[in-house]
Amino acid sequence: GAGVSQTPSNKVTEKGKYVELRCDPISGHTALYWYRQSLGQGPEFLIYFQGTGAADDSGLPNDRFFAVRPEGSVSTLKIQRTERGDSAVYLCASSFNSMGNEQFFGPGTRLTVL
Amino acid sequence: GQNIDQPTEMTATEGAIVQINCTYQTSGFNGLFWYQQHAGEAPTFLSYNVLDGLEEKGRFSSFLSRSKGYSYLLLKELQMKDSASYLCAVRAPSGGYNKLIFGAGTRLAVHP
Repeated sequence: GAGVSQTPSNKVTEKGKYVELRCDPISGHTALYWYRQSLGQGPEFLIYFQGTGAADDSGLPNDRFFAVRPEGSVSTLKIQRTERGDSAVYLCASSFNSMGNEQFFGPGTRLTVL
Repeated sequence: GQNIDQPTEMTATEGAIVQINCTYQTSGFNGLFWYQQHAGEAPTFLSYNVLDGLEEKGRFSSFLSRSKGYSYLLLKELQMKDSASYLCAVRAPSGGYNKLIFGAGTRLAVHP
């Protein structure tokens, strides 16, 4: 596709459940980033992939959060035992490489934990 | 630590000019970005400054002073569609790559 896509656009789940959020970056972009954005705040960095490897996962809040990018393209953010505080918009962005000027953002997945 | 400050909200009149300020304190600096984000949508790139001075792009201009840790976004001839959040983000080196650190955003309301 022409831009970064994310699925689902909305996800409602119950506390304690497991969720997976998917990101399809722009074709050819080697760098992929996950962010979390709460209402009225800027995006907060979670994890960065260069190719298949997680080069920086220092933003993941705890070990309930995990992300993979097995083939260096699509990435999945996985959240175990969801909590109400996990409710936010999860944004994915990609850039041509890690030194590239511009990150292109997807539309986000709005996660609501009841 | 990393700190980026920008006003929470601003209002302006259609056709007018508005300046949104951003101050930053980060460990390292490799450029500053401004993004526009309409409610419920993804941030979209507006401008990038890495050297001191003014970058102009149509109705939007962005200024940077690295010595002062200061940037502003200038929007001219405001239109109703400019009502959005404006995010200031600093690109800082982090372990061999560049990390984007965002401010909380400035919500701009343009009224007739």
